[in-house]
Amino acid sequence: GENVEQHPSTLSVQEGDSAVIKCTYSDSASNYFPWYKQELGKRPQLIIDIRSNVGEKKDQRIAVTLNKTAKHFSLHITETQPEDSAVYFCAASGNTGGFKTIFGAGTRLFVKA
Amino acid sequence: GAVVSQHPSWVICKSGTSVKIECRSLDFQATTMFWYRQFPKQSLMLMATSNEGSKATYEQGVEKDKFLINHASLTLSTLTVTSAHPEDSSFYICSARLGTSLGQFFGPGTRLTVL
Repeated sequence: GENVEQHPSTLSVQEGDSAVIKCTYSDSASNYFPWYKQELGKRPQLIIDIRSNVGEKKDQRIAVTLNKTAKHFSLHITETQPEDSAVYFCAASGNTGGFKTIFGAGTRLFVKA
Repeated sequence: GAVVSQHPSWVICKSGTSVKIECRSLDFQATTMFWYRQFPKQSLMLMATSNEGSKATYEQGVEKDKFLINHASLTLSTLTVTSAHPEDSSFYICSARLGTSLGQFFGPGTRLTVL
């Protein structure tokens, strides 16, 4: 089955700096890679996603890149703000296995003002 | 659009009792719903995939007789934790897939505490 690894587990940056979170996946059949932001005690919120036929996607301060050959994908947050502090999860899913989504272990991002 | 609700939002029960958690898609029909469990400071672990009108598919290591899933309609799936024990205390989150889309929408979660 699919296995998703995520690094780093904790990331601390100064306000205004960039933050990068990296993930790898194992199942070459996976074709959808969402990123979620979760605040304490709340549901995961989709912040950006990318499909396997695209190498990069950007939405304001957030961008995601995908390297299908290497099975790597990354989240880039620029001009970080204190309200970006949360836990971020990468995930992978595909047409096989009933579209189930497998999550990475999460990255706790701290943005210091 | 695409709102998923869960009930209850939190529940405290005694060891040995059963607890039922409901997951509803409010404004769309969900062909597939997923149940996750999240322990403190950990990731979401998929427990099972639930398709309307058929038996749920459980992930390896998840006891299907302990975690009963019923997906009776296109807008409702239930998870029953039977004979709950303190180690079952966790945050249970459901999600629903809209049609053939690859994305899923999460419910707000249910915090279960077993005394």
